[in-house]
Parts: sequence; C-alpha cells; structure tokens
Amino acid sequence: KAGVTQTPRYLIKTRGQQVTLSCSPISGHRSVSWYQQTPGQGLQFLFEYFSETQRNKGNFPGRFSGRQFSNSRSEMNVSTLELGDSALYLCASSPGLASLSGANVLTFGAGSRLTVL
Amino acid sequence: AQKITQTQPGMFVQEKEAVTLDCTYDTSDPSYGLFWYKQPSSGEMIFLIYQGSYDQQNATEGRYSLNFQKARKSANLVISASQLGDSAMYFCAMREGLEGGGYQKVTFGIGTKLQVIP
Repeated sequence: KAGVTQTPRYLIKTRGQQVTLSCSPISGHRSVSWYQQTPGQGLQFLFEYFSETQRNKGNFPGRFSGRQFSNSRSEMNVSTLELGDSALYLCASSPGLASLSGANVLTFGAGSRLTVL
Repeated sequence: AQKITQTQPGMFVQEKEAVTLDCTYDTSDPSYGLFWYKQPSSGEMIFLIYQGSYDQQNATEGRYSLNFQKARKSANLVISASQLGDSAMYFCAMREGLEGGGYQKVTFGIGTKLQVIP
C-alpha cells in the first residue's frame, strides 16, 4: 500500500513568489491535513480537508490556502512568500472516520522543504 | 493555554535501558485521543501509539507503552529496551472531539529529542 506522497521534496523560492505543494494521500483516505514545521514553532496546523471541504483551519494569514480534489489529492498554496515561510511542510492523511478513533491516525508524508531567499 | 506540554527538550538514555517521555495535555472535552509520533532526522513523522480517552487500559505497541493517567491529564510514553535507532524527536499530540460528533484538528507538543547512548 503506497504511503502519503508529497511533491516536490525540496524547493527554493525568492520573496514575493508563490508556491504550490502537492499531497497524494493513502488510497482510501478521505481526509488530508497540512502542517508547517519550523525549529522555533514546532508543528503548526494549517488546515484539514475532508471530501473536498475544509473542515478545520489554523491561524495562518490568507496567503496560505489549500484545496482538495475529488480523488482526495490536496494542494496547498502560499502566495507572496516571506522569509518566515521557510519551513518543512508536512501533509498527513487519515481515513476520515466520523468519530474519534485509533483508526483515524494521521499518516504523514516525507514533507516538502521550502526555502525562501 | 498550551493544549499539549512536553517539558523535556532533550533526554539521554543508555542503550537497552527504558526511558519515559513526559506529556501533559489540557482539555475540557471528555472525548479525545492521544498520539505519539517519532521523527528521525530524515524528517518523516512515524506514528507510534494511540490512546483513546475512554480506553480502560494503557495502550501498548511492541516496545512502546503509554502511561495514561486521566485524572492528572498525563500521557507519558515509555520506551523499553532502547535501541540506537530510537534516537529521534518524539511528539505528543491530541485530537479532541466535537459536540454532536466529529473531531477537531490534531495539536502537537513541541517535542522531546531523545538520544540513545551506546
């Protein structure tokens, strides 16, 4: 069973540019979550999608956006990049069951490491 | 207030010894789930163990066990017989329920860096 696939794995951008990151969840998983990980802030929740609808949203500016497609694949976009956006962006998928359950564990991808110069 | 608190920035343990990584959480919701993840230097987050708030027994998965003390809101991870490959960052996390069904986002602690000494 293929795991969570994130592309690209590494990318370098300059301030003011925009970036799109992609996440393909485990087959059958309907929920996708995105996290930003930095040394100073740890893992910060960005958003969570389920069946193409944003279910939860973190405290990030509107420059950060995401979407989910009908095949559960997800993308996140960051516009007008700032130096502080340099981070490891982690995507995680889960079955998206209706209740709290040990079966609803997040399975993470390897991450996309973004460097903003 | 922090939802998840991990007070040990770094820990050392001798190979083959047991080690306990501390985690306390804050919630008023009776329904929640607690997770532990491991992140090696490669960066990928690896799920270790899950404990539901209504589970009567402490969760165990191989060398990992979760010391769940509900009244103290504590969910410590115990790793028995440490191995060199256990050197990594360890994160405690929680997902709370939602009134009427469903659940909220997963919130992570800041992590504990464990180093296993040969």
